[in-house]
Amino acid sequence: EAGVTQFPSHSVIEKGQTVTLRCDPISGHDNLYWYRRVMGKEIKFLLHFVKESKQDESGMPNNRFLAERTGGTYSTLKVQPAELEDSGVYFCASSQEHTVVDEQFFGPGTRLTVL
Amino acid sequence: AQTVTQSQPEMSVQEAETVTLSCTYDTSESNYYLFWYKQPPSRQMILVIRQEAYKQQNATENRFSVNFQKAAKSFSLKISDSQLGDTAMYFCALTALQKLVFGQGTRLTINP
Repeated sequence: EAGVTQFPSHSVIEKGQTVTLRCDPISGHDNLYWYRRVMGKEIKFLLHFVKESKQDESGMPNNRFLAERTGGTYSTLKVQPAELEDSGVYFCASSQEHTVVDEQFFGPGTRLTVL
Repeated sequence: AQTVTQSQPEMSVQEAETVTLSCTYDTSESNYYLFWYKQPPSRQMILVIRQEAYKQQNATENRFSVNFQKAAKSFSLKISDSQLGDTAMYFCALTALQKLVFGQGTRLTINP
């Protein structure tokens, strides 16, 4: 069974540019989460999809971030325009059930560098 | 608000030794779950062990065990007979509402 995949693995862009990150969850997983780790700090929650609906987007930093999950399959996270403080590693995770205890399976992350 | 604190940024032990990673947390929820995740170098984060807060018995998974002290809001991870493959970043995490709240991580190095 394929795990959670993320694309690209690395992205280097200049301030003001746009970047789109993609996450493919494990097939059949309704729950999809985005997290971010800024260098040296804790991993922080960004948002949670249940199928195509945003269940919780309380962690989204500002309106420069837009997440979508069309058709309830893969998800994209677009940053427009990117700022220096957006640099970090963006993780995606998915889980199957709608319970608190369900294990979240993580992707390898996308390392974003904004120059 | 929920918080998780890992006070050890880095640790290093010799192979076969036992090591304990510390984690404290704070939450106002009565029903919550605690996790330890491991991220090996250049690899994906995987779940090591989890503990339901309502269970008094400490969780164990082979060489990994936790010391869950609910009153003290402490959740430490003990790795017995450490192996080179245990070298990784370890993250303590808490959830009560599906989203995970993570600590800052502890970089553990196992030396041969």
